Amino acid sequence: DAGVTQTPRHEVAEKGQTIILKCEPVSGHNDLFWYRQTKIQGLELLSYFRSKSLMEDGGAFKDRFKAEMLNSSFSTLKIQPTEPKDSAVYLCASSLYGGYTGQLYFGEGSKLTVL
Amino acid sequence: AQSVTQPDARVTVSEGASLQLRCKYSYSGTPYLFWYVQYPRQGLQLLLKYYSGDPVVQGVNGFEAEFIKSNSSFHLRKASVHWSDSAVYFCAVSANNNNAPRFGAGTKLSVKP
Repeated sequence: DAGVTQTPRHEVAEKGQTIILKCEPVSGHNDLFWYRQTKIQGLELLSYFRSKSLMEDGGAFKDRFKAEMLNSSFSTLKIQPTEPKDSAVYLCASSLYGGYTGQLYFGEGSKLTVL
Repeated sequence: AQSVTQPDARVTVSEGASLQLRCKYSYSGTPYLFWYVQYPRQGLQLLLKYYSGDPVVQGVNGFEAEFIKSNSSFHLRKASVHWSDSAVYFCAVSANNNNAPRFGAGTKLSVKP
C-alpha cells in the first residue's frame, strides 16, 4: 500500500506569496492531520479532519493558514500570504481509527523556505 | 487541553549504554500516550503506545515505556542502544476521539560508537 504522499518536497517562496502544499493520505484512512515541524516547537497542530469534516484547527494558525479536504484522498494546505517565520517542515498524517487510539502514518514532509 | 513536555532537546549516549528519554504530559483525564521516532530524511514512525492495563509497554527494537500516572510521565527506555537508534524521538498525548494528538518538541538522540 502507498503511504502518505506529500508534494512538493521542497518549496522556496518570496515573502507575500501564496503557496499550496498537497497531501494524499493512505487509501481508506478517515482522519487527516496537518502539523508544522520546527526544531524549537516540535510538531504544532494546524488542522485535523475526519471524513472531510474539520474537527480541530490550531488556534494560532487561523489567519493565514487554510487546510481543505477536497475529497477523501486529497488535501491541500494554503498559506497566504507567506512570511519568513513560516519557514518550517509541514507534515501530513493520516489514520484509520483516529488519532485518539490509532497510529498516525506520516508523510516525509514539505520543507518550506520563505525569503 | 492536553500538552507534552520533553525536557531534553538533545541526548548523547555511547553505544551499548542504557537510555531514558523523558516525557511529561499535562491532561486531567486518562490519556492515550505514544512515542514516535523520526530517522533522518524519513517520516515519523510509531514506536509504541499506551492505552490501559500494564503500565509498562513494549515497542519495536527493544524500546519500552512506563506510564506513571502519579508523576504524569511516560519515559522511554532501552537497555542497550545501537548506533542505528540515532534519531529524533517524539512523545505524544491524545485526550479524546475528537482531538488530534499533541506532540512534544522532540529529543534528538545521538549514539556514539
